[in-house]
Amino acid sequence: GNSVTQMEGPVTLSEEAFLTINCTYTATGYPSLFWYVQYPGEGLQLLLKATKADDKGSNKGFEATYRKETTSFHLEKGSVQVSDSAVYFCALRTFSGGYNKLIFGAGTRLAVHP
Amino acid sequence: NAGVTQTPKFQVLKTGQSMTLQCAQDMNHEYMSWYRQDPGMGLRLIHYSVGAGITDQGEVPNGYNVSRSTTEDFPLRLLSAAPSQTSVYFCASSPDRGDVYGYTFGSGTRLTVV
Repeated sequence: GNSVTQMEGPVTLSEEAFLTINCTYTATGYPSLFWYVQYPGEGLQLLLKATKADDKGSNKGFEATYRKETTSFHLEKGSVQVSDSAVYFCALRTFSGGYNKLIFGAGTRLAVHP
Repeated sequence: NAGVTQTPKFQVLKTGQSMTLQCAQDMNHEYMSWYRQDPGMGLRLIHYSVGAGITDQGEVPNGYNVSRSTTEDFPLRLLSAAPSQTSVYFCASSPDRGDVYGYTFGSGTRLTVV
């Protein structure tokens, strides 16, 4: 079946460190891939997306490349800030069971310290 | 532009009670959906709607009902609350299937069933 696997957190980094959050997926066909971010006390916000193989999504200094050969969509940022502390969700959109649905990973909590 | 508004933000119910979680969006989005968020499990789709008058079940629909009489509103009804329904509930909307614009999420309703 379709699924998303994220690295377990929490991830703790110092400000200006390099960030990688791994995400791999299992899906039939060619799903669209997303990263959503959830700040404390808020709902999820779309961070970036990629809809086909080799697409690179980017936003706010974050990047992720749709790698079909490795079924991965790893999130990266070159220099994190304290304000990036949040929970990050990898997700895929697929047509399954007769409807379009978003399938989320379990989420990875990022804590950035000054 | 308020986006997606969920009420209430917090609720405590006794086992067996019923209640309705409200969701309203002012963006004229056709697609709306309800998710529940549980620790370590990401978000799971409860019910969704592709337009006024059209609803369907997601992956965890048991114990919940929905209706969509207008484009703006998509309430979620708990028929007889159970402790297993303790969770954070998110409503989301999108103008398309979520590929181009992603989903806009409300800030959530934290429900505790005792």
